[in-house]
Amino acid sequence: DAKTTQPPSMDCAEGRAANLPCNHSTISGNEYVYWYRQIHSQGPQYIIHGLKNNETNEMASLIITEDRKSSTLILPHATLRDTAVYYCIVRVGVTNSNSGYALNFGKGTSLLVTP
Amino acid sequence: GAVVSQHPSRVICKSGTSVKIECRSLDFQATTMFWYRQFPKQSLMLMATSNEGSKATYEQGVEKDKFLINHASLTLSTLTVTSAHPEDSSFYICSATPLYEQYFGPGTRLTVT
Repeated sequence: DAKTTQPPSMDCAEGRAANLPCNHSTISGNEYVYWYRQIHSQGPQYIIHGLKNNETNEMASLIITEDRKSSTLILPHATLRDTAVYYCIVRVGVTNSNSGYALNFGKGTSLLVTP
Repeated sequence: GAVVSQHPSRVICKSGTSVKIECRSLDFQATTMFWYRQFPKQSLMLMATSNEGSKATYEQGVEKDKFLINHASLTLSTLTVTSAHPEDSSFYICSATPLYEQYFGPGTRLTVT
């Protein structure tokens, strides 16, 4: 799996957009970018994933650069409950249901949303 | 979304005893489940891959005789920590994939005294 690099920590004011960057310069053509987050003392939570197009869901938006060497997770209106460690993970896509692949978690970005 | 449960959420046991942790996929079947371990202030580390109907695959450095994994059905995997020691105290998390995303259980906090 390609390695990812994230800043260790970030702050964001409540109500503002939180933009979390991730570098994955060695990503290969069949690898997806996945984002998960882990709130303290809970299991990780899936946020979003993408291959090369920008993606948006009810939780966040994922912007992937054209060369796919970096991406940004955007939480459009951060709340205090978004305080968590955010993990950017590069992984080949799952082609068979019910199996899947283990995830290689790096150190992530600890996001603190302040009032 | 898909739900993965774990039981118990917290357990305290004495050194030398064994502890069983259950991981269930509540609304989907999973031929494969994963077990992770997380020490304080560290990231998740994969311990083993649990395969329904066959032996688990352990990561390097994880003792298969100490961490027994049983995946007896498509919705249940169990991790048994045998002869637990204080250094086994950790946060144990399981996960499974219903389709493309991996879903995680809420974790089990094990404290060995």
